[in-house]
Amino acid sequence: RKEVEQDPGPFNVPEGATVAFNCTYSNSASQSFFWYRQDCRKEPKLLMSVYSSGNEDGRFTAQLNRASQYISLLIRDSKLSDSATYLCVVNIGNSGGYQKVTFGTGTKLQVIP
Amino acid sequence: EPEVTQTPSHQVTQMGQEVILRCVPISNHLYFYWYRQILGQKVEFLVSFYNNEISEKSEIFDDQFSVERPDGSNFTLKIRSTKLEDSAMYFCASSRGQSSYNEQFFGPGTRLTVL
Repeated sequence: RKEVEQDPGPFNVPEGATVAFNCTYSNSASQSFFWYRQDCRKEPKLLMSVYSSGNEDGRFTAQLNRASQYISLLIRDSKLSDSATYLCVVNIGNSGGYQKVTFGTGTKLQVIP
Repeated sequence: EPEVTQTPSHQVTQMGQEVILRCVPISNHLYFYWYRQILGQKVEFLVSFYNNEISEKSEIFDDQFSVERPDGSNFTLKIRSTKLEDSAMYFCASSRGQSSYNEQFFGPGTRLTVL
């Protein structure tokens, strides 16, 4: 099983639609989780951290399910500007307490007018 | 808003040559990272650095790679003898703390092309 697994997509959705992505991770000791977005040939940009209690930032909602080892991202009222690749990032930490980060391959979202 | 900067934006080199990629992390951040992304593939961790020492490195980060913080602002990645397969986008990132809950912020990347 891959360390971090995402459906590569593409997800083609009309403007205004709600879309959800899932990401599964294999290491149960994983400590923290993030969603980044990456535009074509650009750097990953932090979208949001994912907390156990779930968190919301405007149209974006992230959830963590530790029992089933997955995180999710929900985007409501999709905008054309949401078109990007969404990267799931899992941090397992290392024995020295430092970050040890694994990226998923990303899920591509295309919002269509 | 403070940001991570990287130079050059694009580097073209011949196989076997040494390259140095430069990064200026966010000024109050103490932890620094290098990642690479081969075209069409996922972002891969190379190395993390704190207090002038490597704190973690991946199997990609072999003897051909080294990192350095030569002064108070720059953080560099050196590839001693480049190979064709080193062609990729190299991203520098920094975080304020070491805890796994500290978000990492990425620079715009250096596109390395090895001919």
